Amino acid sequence: DAKTTQPPSMDCAEGRAANLPCNHSTISGNEYVYWYRQIHSQGPQYIIHGLKNNETNEMASLIITEDRKSSTLILPHATLRDTAVYYCIVSLSGFQKLVFGTGTRLLVSP
Amino acid sequence: GAVVSQHPSWVICKSGTSVKIECRSLDFQATTMFWYRQFPKQSLMLMATSNEGSKATYEQGVEKDKFLINHASLTLSTLTVTSAHPEDSSFYICSARTEAGGHQPQHFGDGTRLSIL
Repeated sequence: DAKTTQPPSMDCAEGRAANLPCNHSTISGNEYVYWYRQIHSQGPQYIIHGLKNNETNEMASLIITEDRKSSTLILPHATLRDTAVYYCIVSLSGFQKLVFGTGTRLLVSP
Repeated sequence: GAVVSQHPSWVICKSGTSVKIECRSLDFQATTMFWYRQFPKQSLMLMATSNEGSKATYEQGVEKDKFLINHASLTLSTLTVTSAHPEDSSFYICSARTEAGGHQPQHFGDGTRLSIL
C-alpha cells in the first residue's frame, strides 16, 4: 500500500471550513483514498473514500487531484465535535489491511 | 450504516489471566475482520486479519499463541489475550466490512481498553 504524508496538527475556528491535506505521491492506479477520524478513546470513524473523482457525503467532501498524488478532506462547517485525529489511508480495497500513519490532529476552537 | 460492536468496552484483570474480546458485525456479514492495537499517543497497529472458517493471518512480531483469534461465524470474531501481563495493556480495536462491493470501507468498533495489573 502507498504511504501517506499529513501535517501533524491543524487548527480551525468553529463554523469555518477545515481543509486537511494528504500527500500520496506513490499511489497506484487502483488504490483508493480513505479518510477516517478518531475521537479520543474511541474507535476510528469512517468519513469518506474515493478513487479519482471528487466525492461528497453528509460528513465531508473529498477532493483528489487529477494526478491522484494528493487529496484534501473538507469539513465545510467545523464544530467542536470535529476535534479529532484524521487519518488519510491509501488501500486497494476495504478487504485490504489499513496502514495507519500518525494522522493530523485537528483542533476546532470556539 | 454498518455497525461493529465490541465487548467489553474496558476490562481490568490480574496478571496471568486470559481475556476474551468479542467483535460483532451487527447488521452485515463479514468474512474478514481485522484486529488492531493502539498504545497511548500512538497510531493503530494491525495485529491480525481474521478470516471466517480459517486461521487468522498475523502481522510480523505478533505472537499467535498469545493472541488467539477465532472467527467462527460471519458476524463474530474473538480475540483472546492469553496469560496477559502489564505490557499487554492497550486499546484493542476491531474492524469489519460488508461483502458488497470491492472498495467498501472497513467499519470499526469502539475498542476495548485492557488494563493488566
